[in-house]
Amino acid sequence: DSGVTQTPKHLITATGQRVTLRCSPRSGDLSVYWYQQSLDQGLQFLIQYYNGEERAKGNILERFSAQQFPDLHSELNLSSLELGDSALYFCASSPSPGTGNEKLFFGSGTQLSVL
Amino acid sequence: GESVGLHLPTLSVQEGDNSIINCAYSNSASDYFIWYKQESGKGPQFIIDIRSNMDKRQGQRVTVLLNKTVKHLSLQIAATQPGDSAVYFCAEYQISNSGYALNFGKGTSLLVTP
Repeated sequence: DSGVTQTPKHLITATGQRVTLRCSPRSGDLSVYWYQQSLDQGLQFLIQYYNGEERAKGNILERFSAQQFPDLHSELNLSSLELGDSALYFCASSPSPGTGNEKLFFGSGTQLSVL
Repeated sequence: GESVGLHLPTLSVQEGDNSIINCAYSNSASDYFIWYKQESGKGPQFIIDIRSNMDKRQGQRVTVLLNKTVKHLSLQIAATQPGDSAVYFCAEYQISNSGYALNFGKGTSLLVTP
C-alpha cells in the first residue's frame, strides 16, 4: 500500500457528462500529480499541485481541471466527456515541490469508462 | 521531441532465470531515472532509482545499470519469480517552462513461466 488513496475505483458515465476524481496524498506529502493511462498513449502526465498551487502542467485538455485543497487532497474534474477519455487515472504524491529529483508514490487509480 | 522508450515490449522468462529489461533515453541532460513495476489492476510501484553520477545501483534482487555514453538504462531481476510478472516502466524527468514532469516509457511486459 503506497499510502495514496483514490476514489472511486471505478466510474461509468456517458458522453457529455462531468465527473470528479478524488485523491488523498500520503501523510506528509505536499505534492499531488495526476496521470492518465490509456492503452495507446501509456502513462501521460497531466498536472501537478504543490501545497495548493499549480506547479507543472502536461498534456491536460482544457475540458479537464484540477485543484488541491488546504487539507492537501486533490480533485481532478473531467467535463464534456468523450469516449476517448476512457482510461485509468492515477494520482501520485511526493513530499517536495517538484525539483526533478524525487520518486513518486502512486495510488491504485480510478478506472473511467465513458459509454 | 525527446522521449523515453523501451527496446522490448514483452519478455517471457522461466522462473529462476535472470531477467533484463532495457530502456533507451534521448535526453542527455537527464540526471535521475526511476524504474516502476505495475501489476494488473494496481498503480505503478517504485522499484529502484539511479542518479547520473552512478553507473550501477543494487537493491533486493534488482540492479539498475546506467550507461550515459549510449543513453541506455537496464533493470536486472535476479532469480525471477512468478510475482515479478508485471509491466515495467522506466521514467525520467523532463523539464519545460511549465515545470518538471516525470515522463514514462511505454513499458515492457514481463511474464514469468513456471
